Amino acid sequence: KAGVTQTPRYLIKTRGQQVTLSCSPISGHRSVSWYQQTPGQGLQFLFEYFSETQRNKGNFPGRFSGRQFSNSRSEMNVSTLELGDSALYLCASSLDSGSSHEQYFGPGTRLTVT
Amino acid sequence: AQSVSQHNHHVILSEAASLELGCNYSYGGTVNLFWYVQYPGQHLQLLLKYFSGDPLVKGIKGFEAEFIKSKFSFNLRKPSVQWSDTAEYFCAVKIVSNDYKLSFGAGTTVTVRA
Repeated sequence: KAGVTQTPRYLIKTRGQQVTLSCSPISGHRSVSWYQQTPGQGLQFLFEYFSETQRNKGNFPGRFSGRQFSNSRSEMNVSTLELGDSALYLCASSLDSGSSHEQYFGPGTRLTVT
Repeated sequence: AQSVSQHNHHVILSEAASLELGCNYSYGGTVNLFWYVQYPGQHLQLLLKYFSGDPLVKGIKGFEAEFIKSKFSFNLRKPSVQWSDTAEYFCAVKIVSNDYKLSFGAGTTVTVRA
């Protein structure tokens, strides 16, 4: 079974631009979560989607948004990019979002904002 | 708010030495517990998980962890490390109620010298 895939793997953007990252979960998984990983803040939860609905959101500004499609694929969007948005963005999928379900992570998208 | 603490930022040890990484969390209710590993240049992989039952859980690559509810701890152990265990290790906690996110510790970098 194929793992979680994320595209693109690397991205360089300029301050003020916007960016869209894509995540394809493991086949059959309906929950997709997004995390931001930085050396200073570690892994921080952005949001989680299940059946096209956002079920939980972390403490990030409204510039960070996401959506999930009927095939469970998910996208996250960051508008008006800031230098501090440079990070590794990780997507994780699981069968469900309830308890007793582990999350499987993709390789991440490395975003650099200049 | 839920928090996860990993005691050591960086651990350096020699091959064949024993490894123990500490993890404590602050939530008093029912939790799911995880250890993830990130090898250099690779994505996060699940090492082991605890949902319920036997508090001593065994994972991949000879790792094990013990859940001690009274101490809010979930320490990771390996009796004899190898050079290939050089990686960053993350403890993660999910609250089993109405919260769907994983809260991660800051991570511990483990360097194994040959």
